[in-house]
Amino acid sequence: KNEVEQSPQNLTAQEGEFITINCSYSVGISALHWLQQHPGGGIVSLFMLSSGKKKHGRLIATINIQEKHSSLHITASHPRDSAVYICAVRPLLFNDMRFGAGTRLTVKP
Amino acid sequence: DAGVIQSPRHEVTEMGQEVTLRCKPISGHDYLFWYRQTMMRGLELLIYFNNNVPIDDSGMPEDRFSAKMPNASFSTLKIQPSEPRDSAVYFCASSAYPLEQYFGPGTRLTVT
Repeated sequence: KNEVEQSPQNLTAQEGEFITINCSYSVGISALHWLQQHPGGGIVSLFMLSSGKKKHGRLIATINIQEKHSSLHITASHPRDSAVYICAVRPLLFNDMRFGAGTRLTVKP
Repeated sequence: DAGVIQSPRHEVTEMGQEVTLRCKPISGHDYLFWYRQTMMRGLELLIYFNNNVPIDDSGMPEDRFSAKMPNASFSTLKIQPSEPRDSAVYFCASSAYPLEQYFGPGTRLTVT
């Protein structure tokens, strides 16, 4: 079983819809990251969380440390949000990262 | 800042050849990571360095892979000899612990 599980694997939405991507993990962590990978392949870090909630524009990330769960929300989705969203955790005592398989989001106009 | 710089961006080589991938981290970052991404396995950590010292290389697939960081501004990942199953995108990332990691654009390696 993977240490980091994401759902759904694939998600198709219409422009304007509210999107939620979930991430569950099984190890103790010091931080959780949400990454975005566009079709061109580049990886951008969206959020780094250790507790609570963060917001950046239309993106919101939450984490529940007790339940070992995080969600990434996109409000008023747009075709340019189409990308693969990857959840990654930094385990306690280590500085490496363990990755989920990613969620492929397609937003149709 | 130019961000993390990787070269080459694309590499096509024949099986058995030596391949060297290069990375320049962001100035001031004391951690450097090498990752590999394939369709089958997603992103995997290969090795990471702290202050130029390799800390964890348990992700390096086999002895054909080696990584060095001779100074704070340069690292290499070498594959010798290369095999078709090494075809992947290799990412370098750097961070100033405990802050977030910054990824380079990746090197797309194709071994024929």
